[in-house]
Amino acid sequence: EAGVAQSPRYKIIEKRQSVAFWCNPISGHATLYWYQQILGQGPKLLIQFQNNGVVDDSQLPKDRFSAERLKGVDSTLKIQPAKLEDSAVYLCASTRQGADTGELFFGEGSRLTVL
Amino acid sequence: SQKIEQNSEALNIQEGKTATLTCNYTNYSPAYLQWYRQDPGRGPVFLLLIRENEKEKRKERLKVTFDTTLKQSLFHITASQPADSATYLCALAGNNTDKLIFGTGTRLQVFP
Repeated sequence: EAGVAQSPRYKIIEKRQSVAFWCNPISGHATLYWYQQILGQGPKLLIQFQNNGVVDDSQLPKDRFSAERLKGVDSTLKIQPAKLEDSAVYLCASTRQGADTGELFFGEGSRLTVL
Repeated sequence: SQKIEQNSEALNIQEGKTATLTCNYTNYSPAYLQWYRQDPGRGPVFLLLIRENEKEKRKERLKVTFDTTLKQSLFHITASQPADSATYLCALAGNNTDKLIFGTGTRLQVFP
């Protein structure tokens, strides 16, 4: 079974530029999460999708971050314009129904450096 | 405010000993708690899930306890090996939600 795919693995941009990250979850997984992990900290939930609907985006900075999950499969996370404090690893995770039925499967992450 | 606290200092232990990591939480009533392992440059990998009505869960050399009165979970690795060196994250979700919130993680270093 293929894992969660993310791209790009690394991205370096200057502040005020824009960036987009892509995630392809495990086939059949209805729930998809985007987490932000700043160096030395635990993952922080940004947004949760159930199929193509948003379940929770309370911690997503909506003035600069946006995310979508078209057709309930792939998802993209966009940052525009980026700030220095957005430097982090952006992790995508998926699970079959909900986390209480078992584990979250994470991708390798997309490391963003904002200069 | 809601907090999930893990020891931010690294835990250094000798090979063969038991490693014990702590996860404390405040202002949560989690229905379950999970533990993950994260290696440098990689995404977290699920290890164990324990529900609020379970006191203890075991998987091979791993053991997790969950005390809802103390609001604490302990994660044990017995007969630790250098390959167990990694950061260990606890995560919990409240009742009727699958929104998983992570602690800051504790780095474990097992030396020969």
